[in-house]
Amino acid sequence: EAGVVQSPRYKIIEKKQPVAFWCNPISGHNTLYWYRQNLGQGPELLIRYENEEAVDDSQLPKDRFSAERLKGVDSTLKIQPAELGDSAVYLCASSFREQTQYFGPGTRLLVL
Amino acid sequence: GDSVTQMEGPVTLSEEAFLTINCTYTATGYPSLFWYVQYPGEGLQLLLKATKADDKGSNKGFEATYRKETTSFHLEKGSVQVSDSAVYFCALRNTGNQFYFGTGTSLTVIP
Repeated sequence: EAGVVQSPRYKIIEKKQPVAFWCNPISGHNTLYWYRQNLGQGPELLIRYENEEAVDDSQLPKDRFSAERLKGVDSTLKIQPAELGDSAVYLCASSFREQTQYFGPGTRLLVL
Repeated sequence: GDSVTQMEGPVTLSEEAFLTINCTYTATGYPSLFWYVQYPGEGLQLLLKATKADDKGSNKGFEATYRKETTSFHLEKGSVQVSDSAVYFCALRNTGNQFYFGTGTSLTVIP
């Protein structure tokens, strides 16, 4: 069974540029999570989807971050414009309802 | 709000030493508790979990017991190996299906 797929794995951009991350969850997993993990810290939830619906986006900085999960399968997280402080690893995870979360390898973003 | 506090690292042990990584939590209701491991260059993997008080999660020689009276979920292993070198994260899932992670504890095991 394929795991959670994320792309790109690495991204380097200049500040004020836009960037997008893509996630394909494990087949059949209806719940999808986006996390941000700063260096030396644990993951912090940005947004959680149940199927197509964003059920928890309270920690998503909505002025510059947006996300979508069309058709309730894969998802895209976008930052526009990026700031220096956005440098982090962006993790996607999926689960079937409230069962175990499975994480992807993450996208490491560096904003210069 | 809900939170997880785990002991700061880094932790360095010799092979076959006993490991304890402390984790305490704050949450209303009855959360589920987890330990995740992140090996160098890889994503987080679930190591073990416990869903109710007094449950013991175990996997790969690691154990942790859900102690509601002390709000703790300490990770233990009797004899660590070099291959256990990784970062370990304690986490909780509350009744609203929200996850909270600790800051991670880096473990290095030397031969």
